[in-house]
Amino acid sequence: EVQLEESGGGLVQPGGSLRLSCEVSGFTFSNYWMAWVRQAPGKGLEWVAHINPDGSEKFYVDSVKGRFTMSRDNAKKSLFLLMNSLRVEDTAVYYCARHMHETFDCWGQGSLVTVSS
Amino acid sequence: QSALTQPASVSGSPGQSITISCTGTSSDVGAYTFVSWHQHHPGKAPKLIIFNVSNRPSGLSDRFSGSKSGNTASLTISGLQAEDEADYYCLSYTSSNTWVFGGGTKLTVL
Repeated sequence: EVQLEESGGGLVQPGGSLRLSCEVSGFTFSNYWMAWVRQAPGKGLEWVAHINPDGSEKFYVDSVKGRFTMSRDNAKKSLFLLMNSLRVEDTAVYYCARHMHETFDCWGQGSLVTVSS
Repeated sequence: QSALTQPASVSGSPGQSITISCTGTSSDVGAYTFVSWHQHHPGKAPKLIIFNVSNRPSGLSDRFSGSKSGNTASLTISGLQAEDEADYYCLSYTSSNTWVFGGGTKLTVL
């Protein structure tokens, strides 16, 4: 069974940093592109970033470029999102998702990040 | 990277059919067959229901179907059931090597 589990969310002050993790099981992690998607309170889903299987290619939504860094450790079957210079508008539930069928076919339950003073 | 345009809400009675539209541009929906639909019950993980415009994941009910014409994709749910009440999002690949979601549509089963 494919499983994705996010962790690392919490409350952080504006300007602060946080690192999210996503541990996966049930599939060969190193073969897949992976993505982060977020949902701000009362808002829709927003693609944040995605990364290729060996971690050499990464793409980001404009609003997080230069502040967020996506990475992966294939040996540990883990995905990461390092978030720096956090803003109030980054408050959201962050989901990790697997790429397949040219879309995101499996999702985690999400991790809540709250940016507030 | 503007969100694709979806109606904010749709509703229907049990057994009826509804269609949700998703309008983009010639740089996303109109350019690729990489359009998918995701069902999201609040507090739960989103669920893929349609990929590559009109394909259903294995095991998914054939009450869900998708199509595309030009810059607009559509999701049709037939034989509405109470458990279909959820938020629905379209997603498209873009010419900038990024992904863009629709704003989401809240489906109410009356």
